[in-house]
Parts: sequence; structure tokens; C-alpha cells
Amino acid sequence: EDKVVQSPLSLVVHEGDTVTLNCSYEVTNFRSLLWYKQEKKAPTFLFMLTSSGIEKKSGRLSSILDKKELFSILNITATQTGDSAVYLCAVEMGLGSGGYQKVTFGIGTKLQVIP
Amino acid sequence: DTEVTQTPKHLVMGMTNKKSLKCEQHMGHRAMYWYKQKAKKPPELMFVYSYEKLSINESVPSRFSPECPNSSLLNLHLHALQPEDSALYLCASSQDFRPPGTRSRDGYTFGSGTRLTVV
Repeated sequence: EDKVVQSPLSLVVHEGDTVTLNCSYEVTNFRSLLWYKQEKKAPTFLFMLTSSGIEKKSGRLSSILDKKELFSILNITATQTGDSAVYLCAVEMGLGSGGYQKVTFGIGTKLQVIP
Repeated sequence: DTEVTQTPKHLVMGMTNKKSLKCEQHMGHRAMYWYKQKAKKPPELMFVYSYEKLSINESVPSRFSPECPNSSLLNLHLHALQPEDSALYLCASSQDFRPPGTRSRDGYTFGSGTRLTVV
């Protein structure tokens, strides 16, 4: 059974702190790992990672993938109250040469940043 | 246009009603998806359409009936739902076929969802 496990499940930090969110996975036919931020409505895409060891950055957010150890981390530096959200990790699996991909989501990490 | 548009945003329906959720994208994506998300849970895949054909049905009850009239539209027809079907229904799209060795730049694009309440 395909699994995506995120930790911690919830986190409360003060503004300015740095946080690290974890995602480990066990899936068949891995293609990519995705990070999303979900506030009240639809998840917002953050990163797609396909190669080990290459850090992706967007402002204060960064993420890296380890395909040998089957995990990824999402770092947020200098956190702000606007970073409060559920952060979802998802793994995309190829289903053969046909072309479409199936995505399995983790349960998410709920981050709360307090002033 | 880089959005997935879902309508309605909110829907309240009785257990005997028939209603439809609509999803539209004009990004040229050839894969479209329906997800169901209950409170404090991750999105769960329901259906995948690839090139307007149903490719995955994740054992969804027949009271949910998807339809893909063309490459830009995806509908979800609802009939005889139960209160436990109340959830946020998310539509998503992605570029479909990626030959081996190529890398995509983007993940899914999600719509803003339809908040469904079955009474």
C-alpha cells in the first residue's frame, strides 16, 4: 500500500522562528514529490521535487528531496503569521507509459505562527 | 488563464436531490481530477480523466457520476447523497502525458472547491 507520512502533525511557533516539516514516503513507481499550502480552501502548489539533493527555493521557503532515504523536508525561515496553514506533502506515481499520474497525499502538518 | 474554476462555491442539497458540480480550465491540461476532502483530512482522489476518458475510479459509490464533455470541462453529477458525503470537493488539472525522462515544472492546479452539505 502506498504511504505518505508527514510529521509533526501540528506545530506552534513564534514569528521569526525557523521550522522544518517532514515527509516520508513508500510508494511504487515514484515520479515526484509535491508540497502544497492549504489555508481555507484549495491547496496552493509550492514545490515539485524530482531529483535528490537539489534544493528548491521560493522566498523564505525551501525544500529538498532524498530519494535514497525516501523523504523530503520543507523549511520555512523567519516565519510570519501568514505562514499559518496546513502543509500537505503528496507523492506522484506514474502508472505506466500511458501518461497520467496518481497522487497520494499525506495528512498534512498544521502550522500555527503566533505573533 | 492559469486557473481552475469550480462552481458553485457552496451547495446545500437534500438526500433526494440531483445536482451537479462543474469544473473548467483553459490551460490545455489533458488530465482532470475530482478529489474529496473531509475536515482535517487530506484530499482523497475520486476520479481521473485523461484525454476526456475515465482512467481511474477509486471505488467511488455510483451516487457520484463524473462526466467530461470536452477537454476543458469536468462535471460531477450527484444523486441520492448521504449526509456523510458532505465535504469540500476539489477539482484539479495537470498536463497529462509526460514521456519517460522528461520533467514537468508544475504540480496540480486546484480549483477553489465546492463546499457541499447534504441535509
